[in-house]
Amino acid sequence: EIVLTQSPATLSLSPGERATLSCRASQSVSSSLAWYQQRPGQAPRLLIYDVSNRATGIPVRFSGSGSGTDFTLTISSLEPEDFAVYYCQHRSNWLTFGGGTKVEMK
Amino acid sequence: QVQLQESGPGLVKPSQTLSLTCTVSGGSITSGSSYWSWIRQPPGKGLEWIGYIYYSGSTYYNESLKSRVIISVDTSKNQFSLNLTSVTAADTAVYFCARNYGDSFDFWGQGTLVTVSS
Repeated sequence: EIVLTQSPATLSLSPGERATLSCRASQSVSSSLAWYQQRPGQAPRLLIYDVSNRATGIPVRFSGSGSGTDFTLTISSLEPEDFAVYYCQHRSNWLTFGGGTKVEMK
Repeated sequence: QVQLQESGPGLVKPSQTLSLTCTVSGGSITSGSSYWSWIRQPPGKGLEWIGYIYYSGSTYYNESLKSRVIISVDTSKNQFSLNLTSVTAADTAVYFCARNYGDSFDFWGQGTLVTVSS
């Protein structure tokens, strides 16, 4: 089973700043790496699929990159609505999620 | 736009069976190569995929829950369902249904909280 480890657990930033979130896999994975945003009391929302493809309607300030075991979600300039929890997710034998990174307002 | 809505009891007694239904609207459950999943989230914790079903009825489950899970589909009602047997307090969670999009999930229900308690 591939384990996804997200870091940091919490990221404290101000609106307008750049956010860089990390997702590390316990072994090399294929291109099936996705990112989700979850606001309090809401369902997760797909942001990025297949490492770097933005889902429908996702703003260009969200971008995904990486390969092998190391993947990154970048938010180029934080908007107030971006403060939320972010999860990475992968499919190997089954579908697994990372533990999440909370982006909080500084 | 596809929409999903979970329904079912919000309280289940320990050792009993948790049963939820997801109703799909805005599209057919049999369209394309759609697979349909259940995912859960214990209060304050992360996400756990439970399993998925194809409209033909073929299923695939999380190994850690496989012995207690059955996912079924009713194409005439555009619904799919989750049965989780022998529940304990550890099964208390918000349960989401979602549509698989390749190896990810593009449409989600709003989620329903199920509490396991006597």
